[in-house]
Amino acid sequence: DAMVIQNPRYQVTQFGKPVTLSCSQTLNHNVMYWYQQKSSQAPKLLFHYYDKDFNNEADTPDNFQSRRPNTSFCFLDIRSPGLGDAAMYLCATSGGRSDTQYFGPGTRLTVL
Amino acid sequence: DQQVKQNSPSLSVQEGRISILNCDYTNSMFDYFLWYKKYPAEGPTFLISISSIKDKNEDGRFTVFLNKSAKHLSLHIVPSQPGDSAVYFCAASESQGGSEKLVFGKGTKLTVNP
Repeated sequence: DAMVIQNPRYQVTQFGKPVTLSCSQTLNHNVMYWYQQKSSQAPKLLFHYYDKDFNNEADTPDNFQSRRPNTSFCFLDIRSPGLGDAAMYLCATSGGRSDTQYFGPGTRLTVL
Repeated sequence: DQQVKQNSPSLSVQEGRISILNCDYTNSMFDYFLWYKKYPAEGPTFLISISSIKDKNEDGRFTVFLNKSAKHLSLHIVPSQPGDSAVYFCAASESQGGSEKLVFGKGTKLTVNP
């Protein structure tokens, strides 16, 4: 089945230790998104790629970076995780602008 | 500043009855609205959407109503089933502007009791 896959599902890192979260998709969608969702909060868009065009949200901290080496994969890099970065990170894809977004199951990040 | 608000964190209804989930928004540029459903340990899944040119959209047991003047939308589930128990997120976008950005509410946890 075509889907959005996120690995790992659970990630534990230490304060300040870089961490990379992975997202892959078999939908061949042009657009890939990364959202951060803290407990009892709304999912918040961090950035998205339209093909190779990177679009950063104005309030996304510099600590968060992303890479999209090809259509299928997108990575979220957190250079120096702080305790406040503990959250669920959701990857989503869509076929184009204004198309329905399809979400992966998320990666829950714990920062010790 | 929350642009999309779901003021009820939780809702409990009996099986077979109607569930009504509410959502308010503040940005008048939003013209496309969606509801997503999320089960524990899964990502949100798309449920139903509505464009601002409509005031109602129906898909089986799910109906979304939009009141643009009040900047309010609601999701009706009739009849409610135990399998509908999940967190429901309201989301909005400025689709006419070609924006891919969805702005989400905090969600409402629906519990349907057998």
